[in-house]
Amino acid sequence: DTGVSQNPRHKITKRGQNVTFRCDPISEHNRLYWYRQTLGQGPEFLTYFQNEAQLEKSRLLSDRFSAERPKGSFSTLEIQRTEQGDSAMYLCASSSGQGEWADTQYFGPGTRLTVL
Amino acid sequence: TQLLEQSPQFLSIQEGENLTVYCNSSSVFSSLQWYRQEPGEGPVLLVTVVTGGEVKKLKRLTFQFGDARKDSSLHITAAQPGDTGLYLCAAYSGAGSYQLTFGKGTKLSVIP
Repeated sequence: DTGVSQNPRHKITKRGQNVTFRCDPISEHNRLYWYRQTLGQGPEFLTYFQNEAQLEKSRLLSDRFSAERPKGSFSTLEIQRTEQGDSAMYLCASSSGQGEWADTQYFGPGTRLTVL
Repeated sequence: TQLLEQSPQFLSIQEGENLTVYCNSSSVFSSLQWYRQEPGEGPVLLVTVVTGGEVKKLKRLTFQFGDARKDSSLHITAAQPGDTGLYLCAAYSGAGSYQLTFGKGTKLSVIP
């Protein structure tokens, strides 16, 4: 068990560019989550997948954001036409789907995005 | 949307001191989780509390869930520099939802 991995760990981009992040969950975890964390705040939920189906999306996920989990394994989060306000840590988590309170979410190390 | 308010926001103490941080809400939760996050890393789950009035201990950390399941506290005894980090409380947003709502966290610094 290598834990949740995210790539890249850091990304610096210019405003208006597109970026894509990848998350590899713990193997056999069927739930995958994306969160965003800005300085001085706790993580904020963006979206959630059960296998390959995207079941919940936050209002924070504007139309410039898209997430996929094509084969129910790894996931990608793409941000189009980045804005300076998109600068944040993007966290991925996965869980085994054993129920609500017992369903521990394991977080990856995050991708730090800086938009210049 | 349920709001989780954490206090204090910042805490700087000397090694060996005791401290308590709080997580409060006007909502009732079926469960509440505490995470610890170090700079540049993702949050790591410390404990989940489920029953009102429940007390859980993890070495020098004591977690309590309020009787009404609206609030929780984390008490650290004899803090050590290794306890330094951001402590976050979190709860699921509602029935059938799998999104966690986090508080803003308490940033703890333990000075040797």
